Amino acid sequence: ETGVTQSPTHLIKTRGQQVTLRCSSQSGHNTVSWYQQALGQGPQFIFQYYREEENGRGNFPPRFSGLQFPNYSSELNVNALELDDSALYLCASSSTHSGNLDHQETQYFGPGTRLLVL
Amino acid sequence: AQSVTQLDSQVPVFEEAPVELRCNYSSSVSVYLFWYVQYPNQGLQLLLKYLSGSTLVKGINGFEAEFNKSQTSFHLRKPSVHISDTAEYFCAVRGNEKLTFGTGTRLTIIP
Repeated sequence: ETGVTQSPTHLIKTRGQQVTLRCSSQSGHNTVSWYQQALGQGPQFIFQYYREEENGRGNFPPRFSGLQFPNYSSELNVNALELDDSALYLCASSSTHSGNLDHQETQYFGPGTRLLVL
Repeated sequence: AQSVTQLDSQVPVFEEAPVELRCNYSSSVSVYLFWYVQYPNQGLQLLLKYLSGSTLVKGINGFEAEFNKSQTSFHLRKPSVHISDTAEYFCAVRGNEKLTFGTGTRLTIIP
């Protein structure tokens, strides 16, 4: 186990609704990244948070947003859910040293939240 | 920008036989390479990583990988597979803040 936890484990929503997914990072880690893994695909980078600010974003629309809290935990919010948002959402934590995001260490993943949009 | 190509979507192998899962990458920045394994209905577990130094990297569960800069490859190998190795394997390259993953290789072990 990595020490990264995510909640809930499973979620069913209907189109147009909003959802919040949560992630607690591994002890000692200050950086959180979120990925979307559609069925049969590799994970796709959504965004990353460091020092409570978004640092880097993948090709996802603004209805995907996030937060990082002072204890380094994080939330992923998705508004106006679409059927194609059905996927496994993975959170990964890592440690960034000396404020240099190029010097991040390895990302460790949580078990994921499986979201189904009907 | 970076990208990863996993050439085989599925690899069936007999139990106790050797296996190689292929990965090719491209990256415009420093190369950090990873292999992750995903068991059914679970998240990703780190198998091994290449950050610098020796090009032969050993990981968990008897897996190893070799970084080849000239061929831009990072193939994963195991000399003798076990039923418990049945899983999806993802190669990834890290550039700046994000990991870029390949589409995965499903390893199926035949008893």
